[in-house]
Amino acid sequence: AQKITQTQPGMFVQEKEAVTLDCTYDTSDPSYGLFWYKQPSSGEMIFLIYQGSYDQQNATEGRYSLNFQKARKSANLVISASQLGDSAMYFCAMREGRRNQGGKLIFGQGTELSVKP
Amino acid sequence: DAGVIQSPRHEVTEMGQEVTLRCKPISGHNSLFWYRQTMMRGLELLIYFNNNVPIDDSGMPEDRFSAKMPNASFSTLKIQPSEPRDSAVYFCASSTPGLPRAYEQYFGPGTRLTVT
Repeated sequence: AQKITQTQPGMFVQEKEAVTLDCTYDTSDPSYGLFWYKQPSSGEMIFLIYQGSYDQQNATEGRYSLNFQKARKSANLVISASQLGDSAMYFCAMREGRRNQGGKLIFGQGTELSVKP
Repeated sequence: DAGVIQSPRHEVTEMGQEVTLRCKPISGHNSLFWYRQTMMRGLELLIYFNNNVPIDDSGMPEDRFSAKMPNASFSTLKIQPSEPRDSAVYFCASSTPGLPRAYEQYFGPGTRLTVT
C-alpha cells in the first residue's frame, strides 16, 4: 500500500540557515510523483516543488530543492536561506501513476517549521 | 487567471442539517479532487473526478457524503445529515494534463465546516 511518512512533527531553524525536512515513501508503482506543499497559518495549500520518479536530476525551485534518493525511497525538502515567512506546515505527498492520468495525492502528516529571527 | 474557487469559506451548521460545499475548478483543468483535513486524520482524499466522471470515491466516509460534477466548471460535495465529526476543512483541487504544469494540483482556499 502506498504510504508517506514524515517523522518530524516540528522543526526549528535560525533565519538565513538551511533546513531539511524529511519524507520517506512506499509504493510498488514504478511511475509516481512526489510533491511538497506549504500550508501557512492562513490555511491555503501552496505547491512548492515536484519530482517525477523517472526524473534524472533533483528538482529545484528557487530556494527549494528536493533531495531525491530513489533507492532509499526518500524525498527530502531542503530550504536554503530560511526566512521568517517560511514558518508553516509542510506536507510531503505522492501521486501514483503517470502525470497525465491525474491521480490522487497521498499526504504525510506534515512537519511544522518555525523560523527563529 | 482565477484560481480554484470554493464556497462558502466558512459554514456553521447544526447536527442533522444538510451541507453543500461548492467548487469551481480552474478553467481548462480536467481533474477535480475533494480533500478533507482534520487534526486527527490529516489530509485525505475523499473523491476525484476525471473529465466529470468519478474515478475514485474510496475515501468517501459513508453514504451521508455524496459528490457530483455536472459539468467541467462546477462540483458539489454534500453531507446529509451532517454530524459533529464532519467538522473539518474541505479542500477542492484541480489539475490538468497539459504541460508544463501537468503534475501540479492547485488547491482552493478551503471551506471550514463546523457542525455543532
